[in-house]
Amino acid sequence: QVQLVESGGGVVQPGRSLRLSCGASGFIFSAHAMYWVRQAPGKGLEWVARVSHDGLYENYADSVRGRFTISRDNSKNTLYLQMNSLRLEDTAVYYCARDLRGGWAFDYWGQGTLVSVSS
Amino acid sequence: QSALTQPASVSGSPGQSITISCSGTSSDVGGYNHVSWYQHHPGEAPKLMIYEVTNRPSGVSGRFSGSKSGNTASLTISGLQAEDEADYYCGSYTTSDTWVFGGGTKLTVL
Repeated sequence: QVQLVESGGGVVQPGRSLRLSCGASGFIFSAHAMYWVRQAPGKGLEWVARVSHDGLYENYADSVRGRFTISRDNSKNTLYLQMNSLRLEDTAVYYCARDLRGGWAFDYWGQGTLVSVSS
Repeated sequence: QSALTQPASVSGSPGQSITISCSGTSSDVGGYNHVSWYQHHPGEAPKLMIYEVTNRPSGVSGRFSGSKSGNTASLTISGLQAEDEADYYCGSYTTSDTWVFGGGTKLTVL
């Protein structure tokens, strides 16, 4: 069965960096684009970034462009999110999600990892 | 990119039907049929319920259906059951090659 497991969250000070990982299993990882989506406390979902199946194309939400970098290692079945210059407003649960091929949707999600930016 | 507009809450009794709306613009909901809906029980992984406006993934109950008219999409749940109580989010691809979600709707089954 498809499994996505995020890790790397924690408490970090403003301006510092953190790298999230998402381990994938149960499917051909290299065949799917992947996403990061976040949910701030008491707020709705916010799309963060997307990486193509081969890692050659990325795009970002305006709120994180220039600070966050999405990447993947298909040999390790792992998705990453490098988060630099963190701000208080980046505090959220971060989910990785799989692309529904041809369906323009997010068909499997992980349980999320909490990132708390606090001084 | 502004979030899509959803009602903050809806409620219904078991067996009834409810509809959740999702309003956007011609740059997202109205521009493509790439609208999806997600069920989210807090503390769990979100679950895809509808994609491409009307399609249900395998395993999703036929009580869930989607539609769209202009810049507004809708999710209808018929024959409400207690386990349907959750937060529901719509999502759409946009003309900026990004994705946008709604603010979420809390469904209460009375």
